[in-house]
Amino acid sequence: EIVLTQSPATLSLSPGERATLSCRASQSVITSLAWYQQKPGQAPRLLIYDASNRATGIPARFSGSGSGTDFTLTISSLEPEDFAVYYCQQRSNWPPYTFGQGTKLEIK
Amino acid sequence: QVQLVESGGAVVQPGTSLRLSCAASGFNFRTYGMHWVRQSPGKGPEWVAVIWYDGSNINYAASVKGRFTISRDNSKNTLYLQMNSLRAEDTAVYFCASQIDYGGTDYWGQGTLVIVSS
Repeated sequence: EIVLTQSPATLSLSPGERATLSCRASQSVITSLAWYQQKPGQAPRLLIYDASNRATGIPARFSGSGSGTDFTLTISSLEPEDFAVYYCQQRSNWPPYTFGQGTKLEIK
Repeated sequence: QVQLVESGGAVVQPGTSLRLSCAASGFNFRTYGMHWVRQSPGKGPEWVAVIWYDGSNINYAASVKGRFTISRDNSKNTLYLQMNSLRAEDTAVYFCASQIDYGGTDYWGQGTLVIVSS
């Protein structure tokens, strides 16, 4: 089973700053990696799929990069609504389609 | 508009069974693979099961294999999860979700809560 490790666990930033979130896989997932945003009481929302493709309707300030085992989600300039928990999920070697443990992005 | 509506969540005792349903509307359900994903309180999402658009391929997480059964009825635009031999650790909000389509869209329900407790 592929294990995804996200860092940092918590990221404290201010609106307007740049956020960089990391996801590392225990073995290569090529580019079969997705990023989700989740707010309390809501379902996860797809942001990025296939490592670098923005999902439908996702603002351009969200970008994804990486391949193999190391991936990054970047939010170029944080908006107030971006403070949430972010999860990566691999879709390369399944089952299972494993999720990372999450990064909480909080307001500094 | 697109809707996925889960139902069937309840408070049940360990060892009992429960069937969850997910009613789809607003998109071509019969052409989408579908997943069940669960989330225990305060934890991250955990993928549970997947079924291909035509039911030809099914896979489960190791934690539920042999106890849970995913199925679908494309004539009713409905996805199911039959859960048997429930354990306390199955307590979670259960979401149904579609595959990510070629346009970069997936669809999620709002979730249904299952509590397994004596």
